[in-house]
Amino acid sequence: QVQLQQWGAGLLRPSETLSLTCGVYGGSFSGYYWSWIRQPPGKGLEWIGEINQSGATNSSPALKSRVSISVDSSRNQFSLRLSSVTAADTAVYYCARYMKPTTPTTGIYYWFFDLWGRGTLVTVSS
Amino acid sequence: DIQMTQSPSSLSASVGDRVTITCRASQNINSYLNWYQQKPGKAPKLLIYGASSLQSGVPSRFSGSGYGTDFILTISSLQPEDSANYYCQQSYGSPRTFGQGTKVEIK
Repeated sequence: QVQLQQWGAGLLRPSETLSLTCGVYGGSFSGYYWSWIRQPPGKGLEWIGEINQSGATNSSPALKSRVSISVDSSRNQFSLRLSSVTAADTAVYYCARYMKPTTPTTGIYYWFFDLWGRGTLVTVSS
Repeated sequence: DIQMTQSPSSLSASVGDRVTITCRASQNINSYLNWYQQKPGKAPKLLIYGASSLQSGVPSRFSGSGYGTDFILTISSLQPEDSANYYCQQSYGSPRTFGQGTKVEIK
């Protein structure tokens, strides 16, 4: 059974760089987009960005200038760096798998987040 | 960006009730709409993809419908374990965007 395990620092000071890594265990690393999503306390979900095994990335325009997503396919891991953090970046950060089924539905491949890490609470405080 | 708007923001219903949650997209997204359930302290769980396809292992009391800009998640007979937050998400384009969520409580 495929699992995502994530780790990284949980307490940062303003202006520091957030760094999280997610490992994929028990399954294939290729053919998916590996994503980061965050959720401020008591609020909704915000997509941060994604990367595939070849290193092709896509990120939210709202965070693009501060976000870096990288991949280490040899270790089945991908990482998030978010620079110049402020209190507004305090959130639970999730890694997730963005995939499409092998069989299309009525001829269409639909993508969705089917597998999630447990989440890491990152608090930014002076 | 495609904006996703859910209604209501919260609802309270009794066990056995039929519950509907609406999600509206700011532009046509065909059937590229997913629904997730999130319980406190847990990661979201996929319920429905492609607007109406039930994810494997999800109880059949959950169903989805809609096309274009308007979508509905239905719980046909609400159960105590369905108390959670529910989010829609569009997979039509980037950035991937979520609705603001609907909190479902059991009376």
